[in-house]
Amino acid sequence: DIQMTQSPSSLSASVGDRVTITCRASQSIGSYLNWYLQKPGKAPKLLIYIASTLQSGVPSRFSGSGSGTDFTLTISSLQPEDFATYYCQESYSSTWTFGQGTKVEIK
Amino acid sequence: EVHLVQSGAEVKKPGATVKISCKVSGYTFTDYYIHWVQQAPGKGLEWMGLVDPEDAETFYAEKFQGRVTITADTSTDTAYMELSSLRSEDTAVYYCTTSRGLTRPNDYWGQGTLVTVSS
Repeated sequence: DIQMTQSPSSLSASVGDRVTITCRASQSIGSYLNWYLQKPGKAPKLLIYIASTLQSGVPSRFSGSGSGTDFTLTISSLQPEDFATYYCQESYSSTWTFGQGTKVEIK
Repeated sequence: EVHLVQSGAEVKKPGATVKISCKVSGYTFTDYYIHWVQQAPGKGLEWMGLVDPEDAETFYAEKFQGRVTITADTSTDTAYMELSSLRSEDTAVYYCTTSRGLTRPNDYWGQGTLVTVSS
């Protein structure tokens, strides 16, 4: 299985901050990289797919970039509802893998 | 509107088998793959496997290979995940989720089912 490594594992930020989370794949996955947000006790929610396509209804402050093995999720101006855990996921292979998650906390 | 409704919480003893259901509505059952994802308490998401309801083809994560069976019943629009030889580390919330293809993301999710493994 492909390994997905996210960094950092956690971060503290303030409302209005620009936040960047990175995800690295153990082999090239083209652009088959998805990002999810999860709040405690809730199912994950799709934010971005195919590395940079914003899911319908997701605010434009979220953006994604990258291809091959290195990917980035950026939140341009952090809002109170964005404090959550973020996961990357590869959908390149027939057996998918999630990153270990990045918890975004309030500073 | 798409809905995925999962069966209720389960308590199982070590060594037992659990079978969770995921009833879907709002789309043609065979148009989407069904995946299962494990989340242990305080831990991250772990992809377990998927089924293509159209032809019953399955793929499983190496970690769960041999212990997990994912099936789809097209007569009832319901997918199932069976996990055997349960151990305490299998205590987790299990989610079913859909994707429109093998490279498309997980767009719809069930509410999750808590499985507790305890003697």
